Amino acid sequence: DTAVSQTPKYLVTQMGNDKSIKCEQNLGHDTMYWYKQDSKKFLKIMFSYNNKELIINETVPNRFSPKSPDKAHLNLHINSLELGDSAVYFCASSRLRTELNTEAFFGQGTRLTVV
Amino acid sequence: SQQGEEDPQALSIQEGENATMNCSYKTSINNLQWYRQNSGRGLVHLILIRSNEREKHSGRLRVTLDTSKKSSSLLITASRAADTASYFCATGPSGGSNYKLTFGKGTLLTVNP
Repeated sequence: DTAVSQTPKYLVTQMGNDKSIKCEQNLGHDTMYWYKQDSKKFLKIMFSYNNKELIINETVPNRFSPKSPDKAHLNLHINSLELGDSAVYFCASSRLRTELNTEAFFGQGTRLTVV
Repeated sequence: SQQGEEDPQALSIQEGENATMNCSYKTSINNLQWYRQNSGRGLVHLILIRSNEREKHSGRLRVTLDTSKKSSSLLITASRAADTASYFCATGPSGGSNYKLTFGKGTLLTVNP
């Protein structure tokens, strides 16, 4: 069973379109994240959710809207796609413990290409 | 802003040799983690070291942490071709929360057979 699964794996779309990426984790974690990895492999956090509540929004344009219907899902909707949105988007999850930090588990990534 | 900085950016070695990667960071941390990313895949957690630890081992991996210098190193001993990947350090903020893991730019390790 895949621990963190995201779909689709590849997404090619035209500028101006709206698209969604779905993420699900079956690890029972309470915290989920979206990261963006650019062409230089730099990973930057976009959003963090804990128990369905938005915790971190790292100056991401309003065109990006995460939605967490429950603790196991964190979807990413992107409006009016731009060329600069082309990147690999990773979903991740972890169990948040105040005194005992744990590792994050990552999905396989969604390669988004905007043409 | 970026927290971790790995060096070197790229490292090429022969199978059987040891590989050492370094990571420097800027702010106080609760823990530091190392991840591996194979080409076209997601990140896989390798090892976590807490701020009150100085050294940790896991199989062929050895991680050190020097909080006074705000730096860490990852040593892979007896490298194998399968170790070829990008390696990232990530820092967890002080205060005990991992809400935000901040990653460095990574080191691309190539192990030649």
